[in-house]
Amino acid sequence: GAGVSQSPSNKVTEKGKDVELRCDPISGHTALYWYRQSLGQGLEFLIYFQGNSAPDKSGLPSDRFSAERTGGSVSTLTIQRTQQEDSAVYLCASSYHAGTSYEQYFGPGTRLTVT
Amino acid sequence: QKEVEQNSGPLSVPEGAIASLNCTYSDRGSQSFFWYRQYSGKSPELIMSIYSNGDKEDGRFTAQLNKASQYVSLLIRDSQPSDSATYLCAVRDTGFQKLVFGTGTRLLVSP
Repeated sequence: GAGVSQSPSNKVTEKGKDVELRCDPISGHTALYWYRQSLGQGLEFLIYFQGNSAPDKSGLPSDRFSAERTGGSVSTLTIQRTQQEDSAVYLCASSYHAGTSYEQYFGPGTRLTVT
Repeated sequence: QKEVEQNSGPLSVPEGAIASLNCTYSDRGSQSFFWYRQYSGKSPELIMSIYSNGDKEDGRFTAQLNKASQYVSLLIRDSQPSDSATYLCAVRDTGFQKLVFGTGTRLLVSP
């Protein structure tokens, strides 16, 4: 079946501009996560959505970052007034919580470059 | 701060050998553990999950978990050059749903 999809695959933006990154999870998956991976760094959690529950925003690095999930499916991560330190690969993952299974499947990522 | 530790490597093994990748974690209450493979320039790909102490085998891969020692490992039998990648250990944060990742071990399998 179709996996997690993300768009765009690459985004180059000027410092100070706003960007929107999109994630379409695997059909039927109720949970959606955003992570980012900076060059040579590990994966850093940003935000988590589960069904209609309030999102876990504990990983967002600043108030310039926000995310929403519409209709329990597609999610958009917005970065306002981008800075050079925002340059990273932004990864979306989804999972289906059943019993003790919490396997997360990643999309291909969006590579963001802030010039 | 909950942590997951991995040796960054590179771990070099000859083709056909067993590669052993190790990971330790700090949160004693963790219950769910995952291994991801990440090729250069690609996103992480889930290869194994393990939830109970002991071994779990899937093809050439075996995950081993020892909760008392807070240790999880991945064995790759009959290593192939195509196994050359970075292997990420991930632990589900107790009480939360996010994964905490190690920085990964780079594996190099030489022909």
